[in-house]
Amino acid sequence: GENVEQHPSTLSVQEGDSAVIKCTYSDSASNYFPWYKQELGKRPQLIIDIRSNVGEKKDQRIAVTLNKTAKHFSLHITETQPEDSAVYFCAASTGGGNKLTFGTGTQLKVEL
Amino acid sequence: GAVVSQHPSWVICKSGTSVKIECRSLDFQATTMFWYRQFPKQSLMLMATSNEGSKATYEQGVEKDKFLINHASLTLSTLTVTSAHPEDSSFYICSADRQGIGEAFFGQGTRLTVV
Repeated sequence: GENVEQHPSTLSVQEGDSAVIKCTYSDSASNYFPWYKQELGKRPQLIIDIRSNVGEKKDQRIAVTLNKTAKHFSLHITETQPEDSAVYFCAASTGGGNKLTFGTGTQLKVEL
Repeated sequence: GAVVSQHPSWVICKSGTSVKIECRSLDFQATTMFWYRQFPKQSLMLMATSNEGSKATYEQGVEKDKFLINHASLTLSTLTVTSAHPEDSSFYICSADRQGIGEAFFGQGTRLTVV
C-alpha cells in the first residue's frame, strides 16, 4: 500500500519568513495530493491540493510543487504569520473517492 | 462546499460500554465514507472504508468486531466502538468524498475518552 513520509516533524520560523514542508510517496498510481492544516482538537482543513497532471499550484501565500518522477511534493508558505502556526499534513490518494494516506505531520511554529 | 457533520463531538464512557458515532453528509450523497483515528500528536490513521449497502473494508490491524461500521444510507455512516477500553480513547474522525471531486470533506471529529 501507499506510504507517505513527511519532513520535518517540527519547523520554527520567524514571522515573515518562508516555510517549506516536504513529502514523499511510494505508490506511483497516486494522483491526488492534498495538504491539510489542523489546529488542536479540530478537523483537518484543506489548504491546497494538486493533481498529477500539473507540477505546481499557487494560492496567495501558499504553493505546492509536485515531482512525479521523484515521487515527492512540497508545501511552500511565504510571508508566514503567527496564525499559520498549526500542524500540517500532506496526503496522497489514487483519487476518485479513494482513501487518503497521510504523512506524519509537521508542527509549524511562527514566532514573532 | 460540501458539509459533513459528525456527532457527538465528545463523549466520555465507562470501560466495557459501547459508543456510537455518527457521520452525516448534509448536502450530498456519499457512497463511500472513511473513518480515521488520531492519537495525540500523531497523524490520522485510516481505520476502515465504509461502503453504502455493503460491508466495510477494514485496514490491517483494525478489529472489525470491535469497531462496527454501518452505512445504511447514502448520507449516514456510523462507527460503534464496542466494549470500549481506555486504550480506545482517541480522536475519531470521518470523511466523505463527493463523487467525482476527489476532495475529502471531514466531520468535526469525536473525542472519545474511556474511563
